[in-house]
Amino acid sequence: QKEVEQDPGPLSVPEGAIVSLNCTYSNSAFQYFMWYRQYSRKGPELLMYTYSSGNKEDGRFTAQVDKSSKYISLFIRDSQPSDSATYLCAMSVTQGGSEKLVFGKGTKLTVNP
Amino acid sequence: GAVVSQHPSWVICKSGTSVKIECRSLDFQATTMFWYRQFPKQSLMLMATSNEGSKATYEQGVEKDKFLINHASLTLSTLTVTSAHPEDSSFYICSPSSTNSYEQYFGPGTRLTVT
Repeated sequence: QKEVEQDPGPLSVPEGAIVSLNCTYSNSAFQYFMWYRQYSRKGPELLMYTYSSGNKEDGRFTAQVDKSSKYISLFIRDSQPSDSATYLCAMSVTQGGSEKLVFGKGTKLTVNP
Repeated sequence: GAVVSQHPSWVICKSGTSVKIECRSLDFQATTMFWYRQFPKQSLMLMATSNEGSKATYEQGVEKDKFLINHASLTLSTLTVTSAHPEDSSFYICSPSSTNSYEQYFGPGTRLTVT
């Protein structure tokens, strides 16, 4: 079992739809939970991070963490064509004295106008 | 977010040659530099971690003699792919970090194609 599981999609939705992206994980030692957006042939861009169970909202984006179920989600409201990208979940863990990020495979999202 | 640059953004080289990729953090001091590799339709895989002025720590399966990392200053790190082979063709991304891992920002990436 991989440490972080993420459905690669692809996911295609109409403009204005609510998008739900999810990751599950197996390592209880993960401390921080991040969501990155990556456009084609570009580096990942940090969208949101959380460290505790619950919801965190930032504009049209809501990050949700459920540590008891080892499950995190990213919700995008009123999705726009410009949201079309690959979304990567990432989790941090202290290993060998340094913080390391473990990434999901990424979910490719297309928002159709 | 932080401003990170990588150079070159795209490079094609012949098998057996070496390629150097530069990563600069333009608006903060990167005490730690992470180098990742991303194959098509795959996630980012950490290759190595380096702290300024120290030797890099490589992940299992990553050849330290093939992927030379230099982190001589707080704003510059380089990754040199030595004796490149076609299987080294990938997207290489640096990620400088100053404090906590959740403030880890990424460079725009360098696409390496080895022919």
